[in-house]
Amino acid sequence: SQQGEEDPQALSIQEGENATMNCSYKTSINNLQWYRQNSGRGLVHLILIRSNEREKHSGRLRVTLDTSKKSSSLLITASRAADTASYFCATGYGFEGSQGNLIFGKGTKLSVKP
Amino acid sequence: EAQVTQNPRYLITVTGKKLTVTCSQNMNHEYMSWYRQDPGLGLRQIYYSMNVEVTDKGDVPEGYKVSRKEKRNFPLILESPSPNQTSLYFCASSSAGKGGASGYTFGSGTRLTVV
Repeated sequence: SQQGEEDPQALSIQEGENATMNCSYKTSINNLQWYRQNSGRGLVHLILIRSNEREKHSGRLRVTLDTSKKSSSLLITASRAADTASYFCATGYGFEGSQGNLIFGKGTKLSVKP
Repeated sequence: EAQVTQNPRYLITVTGKKLTVTCSQNMNHEYMSWYRQDPGLGLRQIYYSMNVEVTDKGDVPEGYKVSRKEKRNFPLILESPSPNQTSLYFCASSSAGKGGASGYTFGSGTRLTVV
């Protein structure tokens, strides 16, 4: 299986703190994406980083990608109670320029306490 | 509104009774995919389709069938459901266009219980 692995499995922090989640994968990728899932609901796309990029920002989100280590991290700054959710990384395999087929990891469950 | 629509949202059925979970998208996306989500296992891909009449197996295809006769629809068929197929199922779609950066759009999920 090409499934990635997130670390930690669960993370509990106070509102205002930063949250960092990591993702490792096994084979060469075209892109890596992060998704959020509120309990039992569909996943929502957060950010995509391509294999030739090293860092990307979107609002309070910062994603890094290290293809030599086959790993990525998602940083949420100044967390809020509304950020409480599960976060998944997904690795994309496909031809250049296409996001291709996505394989998801097992997720990190983030709890932000007010 | 751009969306992926799955039906039904909830389904309880008995072992061996054939069922179909429908998935439809209104974004003219080429890619469509089915995932199942189980506690501790994350999302595992069942089948995916890169375009009409093109489908391929994911990591856990056993016991499932799919078809892609039209671009907008990608039904998931369980010919003879078993209790180990009790799960939360998600359909997702995506544009295959070069430079696409919008990710996959997910449906709201179908919670299936097989007794």
